[in-house]
Amino acid sequence: EPEVTQTPSHQVTQMGQEVILRCVPISNHLYFYWYRQILGQKVEFLVSFYNNEISEKSEIFDDQFSVERPDGSNFTLKIRSTKLEDSAMYFCASSLTGWSTGELFFGEGSRLTVL
Amino acid sequence: RKEVEQDPGPFNVPEGATVAFNCTYSNSASQSFFWYRQDCRKEPKLLMSVYSSGNEDGRFTAQLNRASQYISLLIRDSKLSDSATYLCAVNKRDYKLSFGAGTTVTVRA
Repeated sequence: EPEVTQTPSHQVTQMGQEVILRCVPISNHLYFYWYRQILGQKVEFLVSFYNNEISEKSEIFDDQFSVERPDGSNFTLKIRSTKLEDSAMYFCASSLTGWSTGELFFGEGSRLTVL
Repeated sequence: RKEVEQDPGPFNVPEGATVAFNCTYSNSASQSFFWYRQDCRKEPKLLMSVYSSGNEDGRFTAQLNRASQYISLLIRDSKLSDSATYLCAVNKRDYKLSFGAGTTVTVRA
């Protein structure tokens, strides 16, 4: 069964460092997303990406964050100058269609720990 | 008011029991509704979409009440494997899903 894959599964970084989280969405999917979940809290939308551009972003997704689809398969989330409060599980997701179905396929997540 | 609110539980039920819980949403413009399941520290997985007329998938029944702005999930004949956190998700005809904080269900033998 096709799946969304994410790397790394866990990254520990020092405050102020830059991190890049990588995702390979399901190959025929057209919509890509990043969500995050702080431990014990809800899953929060960060950004959606379609046709090589951001289609929507949340207030969390400020200038510290950026996304990129550098080639035909990878979808990356870059966090510049990490802060302690960026510690969370970051989930990449993809979908074949946009808003109407809601069936997002999530990767297993990348746990980011900022020290 | 939060966009999506859920009773956090936990709902602790014996095997074979029926358990039901609701999720309320604040935006009347919400268009699409879903239940996701999340196991501990794992990714959310779609359990079922929720349609206006209500729908069933095996032991799971979902209902939508637009007038009162809530959706519900009922699990019949609970199994140990149903133990999880159930996330309500709502979409307003845009590119994001808004999730509730989840309802924890624990099924005991």
